[in-house]
Amino acid sequence: GQQVMQIPQYQHVQEGEDFTTYCNSSTTLSNIQWYKQRPGGHPVFLIQLVKSGEVKKQKRLTFQFGEAKKNSSLHITATQTTDVGTYFCADNTGTASKLTFGTGTRLQVTL
Amino acid sequence: NAGVTQTPKFQVLKTGQSMTLQCAQDMNHNSMYWYRQDPGMGLRLIYYSASEGTTDKGEVPNGYNVSRLNKREFSLRLESAAPSQTSVYFCASWGVMRGTEAFFGQGTRLTVV
Repeated sequence: GQQVMQIPQYQHVQEGEDFTTYCNSSTTLSNIQWYKQRPGGHPVFLIQLVKSGEVKKQKRLTFQFGEAKKNSSLHITATQTTDVGTYFCADNTGTASKLTFGTGTRLQVTL
Repeated sequence: NAGVTQTPKFQVLKTGQSMTLQCAQDMNHNSMYWYRQDPGMGLRLIYYSASEGTTDKGEVPNGYNVSRLNKREFSLRLESAAPSQTSVYFCASWGVMRGTEAFFGQGTRLTVV
């Protein structure tokens, strides 16, 4: 079935360094959502991308949807300790109501 | 506006015991979901309900049953708990329409001993 892989599984950066996580699919995605989960918390929606090649920014976060709609990325510029958490991509390709999450990337930021 | 309310927050069960996790949303969403989260495994879909009266299996449905009681409520039942079901369980709801987000409950931390 549809499976969305995320890489890396874990990344540890120094505060101020950049961070990127990638979401890859073997099939074309209809749209992609990104969520953040703080340690001990629940996933919280960040953004949805729908169009091929779409780029959206939220302050230090840049989200991109690939031209072929088979991959997406989340880039954080100049990480801060508040960025700590696990970042998930999610898609509903195949069945409109079936929301499936990627494996997640855990980000650790130290001073 | 409470969003998604999930109970209980914590539960310890003995192997073989049964329990029901409750979930309710007040956003008039059609779709509701149950996920489990294990370390390093991300969020795995157990069951989902696209609308009132329908339920479908996700990736890991074995050992679970669900009930979509009405549009607001979606419960998850463990009939005979096993240690492999030790996990954090999240309920979520989603309007599905373009641009809308899924909302999650606070999670239930379940330990089966």
